[in-house]
Amino acid sequence: DIQMIQSPSSLSASVGDRVTITCRASQNIRTYLNWYQQKSGKAPKLLIYGTSSLQTGVPSRFSGSGSGTDFSLTISSLQPEDFAVYFCQQSYHYWTFGQGTKVEVK
Amino acid sequence: QVQLQESGPGLVKPSETLYLSCNVSGGSLSPHYWSWMRQSPGKGLEWIGYIHHTGTIKYNAPFESRLTLSLDTSNKQLSLRLRSVTAADTAVYYCARESRFSGRSANFYDAMDVWGQGTTVTVSS
Repeated sequence: DIQMIQSPSSLSASVGDRVTITCRASQNIRTYLNWYQQKSGKAPKLLIYGTSSLQTGVPSRFSGSGSGTDFSLTISSLQPEDFAVYFCQQSYHYWTFGQGTKVEVK
Repeated sequence: QVQLQESGPGLVKPSETLYLSCNVSGGSLSPHYWSWMRQSPGKGLEWIGYIHHTGTIKYNAPFESRLTLSLDTSNKQLSLRLRSVTAADTAVYYCARESRFSGRSANFYDAMDVWGQGTTVTVSS
């Protein structure tokens, strides 16, 4: 099974900050990596697929990069609605999720 | 647009069978795969399995021995049956649609682009 490890588990940031979350796969998954945002009490929402392609309607302040085993999600200027939990997910061999990164108010 | 709505009993006794359903509205079952996930504080988000409108089914290994997924295409309803539940099966259960997207370098990528709101299941006597 492919394991996905995110870091950090949580971070504190302010509106306007640049935020980066990393995700590491236990084996090479090429660019088969998706990112989701989950707000409290809601289902996850797809942000990015294929490492770096934004889902329709997702603001351009979100970006993704990486390949192989190391990936990152960056929010260029954090907005109030971005405080949430973010998950990475590999789609190389079925599906595995990272444990999540909580972005909190500083 | 496509909407998914899970429903279930809320509370199930240990050793019993959990039945969940997921109604699909506003869109077609084809050509998508339809997945079930669950989320708990202890294990995070876990993929349970998927079913395709053609009948293809894949179960995640930890669930394989006690899981049955089915699909009623005429009513556009997914179903999950999980036998011999324990407290470890307490979680929020989601259904989701898998879609294929065209990405960079002419590759195709699968992702879960539509999710239900989730249904909470507690296993307790």
